[in-house]
Amino acid sequence: EPEVTQTPSHQVTQMGQEVILRCVPISNHLYFYWYRQILGQKVEFLVSFYNNEISEKSEIFDDQFSVERPDGSNFTLKIRSTKLEDSAMYFCATKGGIEAFFGQGTRLTVV
Amino acid sequence: RKEVEQDPGPFNVPEGATVAFNCTYSNSASQSFFWYRQDCRKEPKLLMSVYSSGNEDGRFTAQLNRASQYISLLIRDSKLSDSATYLCVVNMKAGNTGKLIFGQGTTLQVKP
Repeated sequence: EPEVTQTPSHQVTQMGQEVILRCVPISNHLYFYWYRQILGQKVEFLVSFYNNEISEKSEIFDDQFSVERPDGSNFTLKIRSTKLEDSAMYFCATKGGIEAFFGQGTRLTVV
Repeated sequence: RKEVEQDPGPFNVPEGATVAFNCTYSNSASQSFFWYRQDCRKEPKLLMSVYSSGNEDGRFTAQLNRASQYISLLIRDSKLSDSATYLCVVNMKAGNTGKLIFGQGTTLQVKP
């Protein structure tokens, strides 16, 4: 069964450092998303990406965040200067139809 | 008012019980509806889409009431393996586009 793959599964970084989270979408899916979940809270939308551009973003997705699909396969989320409050699970999701499928997540810990 | 609202629970039920979860959504323009399941510290996994006519998948039945902006999930003959958090999810847009809006989840514990 095709699946969304995320790397790394866990990343620990120091405050102020840049991190890049990677996702390999299900092939032939065209819509890509990043969500995050702070421990004990609900899953929150960050950004959607279609046709090589951002189609929608939330208030959380400020100038510190960026997304790209550099090589036509990986879909990346970059956080330029991490803050303690960026600590969360980050989930990539992709859609080929109306249903979204999620990767196993990257647990980001900012210390 | 929250965009998608669920009773967080926890619901503690014995094996074999029938349990029902409810969810309300605030935006009447919402187009598509889903139940996801999330195990502790894992990703959300699609359980089922929810259609206006209601739909069933084995022991799981989902219902949608657009007039009341209400979605339900019924689990019959609960198994220990059903223990998880159930997420009510709504999409404002039809088709492939649009972000998912999640409820905070309802926790189910099935006990032997």
